[in-house]
Amino acid sequence: DVKVTQSSRYLVKRTGEKVFLECVQDMDHENMFWYRQDPGLGLRLIYFSYDVKMKEKGDIPEGYSVSREKKERFSLILESASTNQTSMYLCASLKQGPGEQYFGPGTRLTVT
Amino acid sequence: KNEVEQSPQNLTAQEGEFITINCSYSVGISALHWLQQHPGGGIVSLFMLSSGKKKHGRLIATINIQEKHSSLHITASHPRDSAVYICAVWIQGAQKLVFGQGTRLTINP
Repeated sequence: DVKVTQSSRYLVKRTGEKVFLECVQDMDHENMFWYRQDPGLGLRLIYFSYDVKMKEKGDIPEGYSVSREKKERFSLILESASTNQTSMYLCASLKQGPGEQYFGPGTRLTVT
Repeated sequence: KNEVEQSPQNLTAQEGEFITINCSYSVGISALHWLQQHPGGGIVSLFMLSSGKKKHGRLIATINIQEKHSSLHITASHPRDSAVYICAVWIQGAQKLVFGQGTRLTINP
């Protein structure tokens, strides 16, 4: 079974802190994605990566950056956390489109 | 207007009822996905469709490419089917999924 893990299920951070969310997949997938999920807005794509050291902006990249130094690991970075970044963050991986994406369990981030 | 629209947004039914959730999209797609998310849980893929119909247990998914419409049906619904069901489309020529807002389904015993 494909497994996608995320570093934390719940996280509380203060405004202005730098926040790292990590995602690891164990199936050698080329593509990895970071989404945020908010009530009434559904899932929105923040960034994705189709190869090591490659990244593409999604629909809402402002305030975020990403890092993919190894194929299995994709990190989302909040450079200076703000309260409007309080959300559920979901990572996903995919062998190749338009196939099935495998999602991690999510990280519920609260910024106070 | 969202590229992917789901209806209804919320649905409450009694155990045993036949459930239908609808998804309409306005763009050319390579595939359509139905996903399930339980409270506090991650998201799992139920179906990926590019044409016709698929069945898995009590779940049936259909797609009409010409009408840009898909439906997810649940037969003999059960309280454990209570979840958010999400429609997502893989846009032609793109490298990403676009998601509907989800349908929150509650099945009462």
